[in-house]
Amino acid sequence: GAGVSQSPSNKVTEKGKDVELRCDPISGHTALYWYRQSLGQGLEFLIYFQGNSAPDKSGLPSDRFSAERTGGSVSTLTIQRTQQEDSAVYLCASSYYTEAFFGQGTRLTVV
Amino acid sequence: RKEVEQDPGPFNVPEGATVAFNCTYSNSASQSFFWYRQDCRKEPKLLMSVYSSGNEDGRFTAQLNRASQYISLLIRDSKLSDSATYLCAVNIRDDKIIFGKGTRLHILP
Repeated sequence: GAGVSQSPSNKVTEKGKDVELRCDPISGHTALYWYRQSLGQGLEFLIYFQGNSAPDKSGLPSDRFSAERTGGSVSTLTIQRTQQEDSAVYLCASSYYTEAFFGQGTRLTVV
Repeated sequence: RKEVEQDPGPFNVPEGATVAFNCTYSNSASQSFFWYRQDCRKEPKLLMSVYSSGNEDGRFTAQLNRASQYISLLIRDSKLSDSATYLCAVNIRDDKIIFGKGTRLHILP
């Protein structure tokens, strides 16, 4: 498919474990965004990539959160030592000077 | 001031009524504007782009007011299926899009 692909679609993890969430953007899209959305809440911006650089990481809630993007394509969001408050849907989007397209998200549950 | 702001609602509107939301943005150099729709437990999807001259798609009309730095979305003859969260998005610079938190709309039978 030509859309934004995220994996896994669902992840249940134990408190204290590390998790990695993957985003495969639309081919050719230079901008990539990570958002978090808790149930019933609005989008919470986490980080923005332009190519492999992250000019805006102001939304990362703590140093347990990090993200990287390689080859101007796939991005990985890593959450270390997960906490229950990290439970949310993590959405990735990509764009190329026009509208952004979203993946279906990864639903993370920390138990 | 936040870069993109929306009234979170909820807007509770009877079926068949007309409803309008605004979205304000802070960067006067913003170039592109969009409205997205997000259904419960789904990802946001593009509803329509907002052009300088305004644009209409069926019951939906989007307008841009550059002088006052806001965009609007008007929904006429609202349907139950219009119930969703509507997010505005603004491309502020260098291909960076900022999303509002969204406005929740409930269409009442």
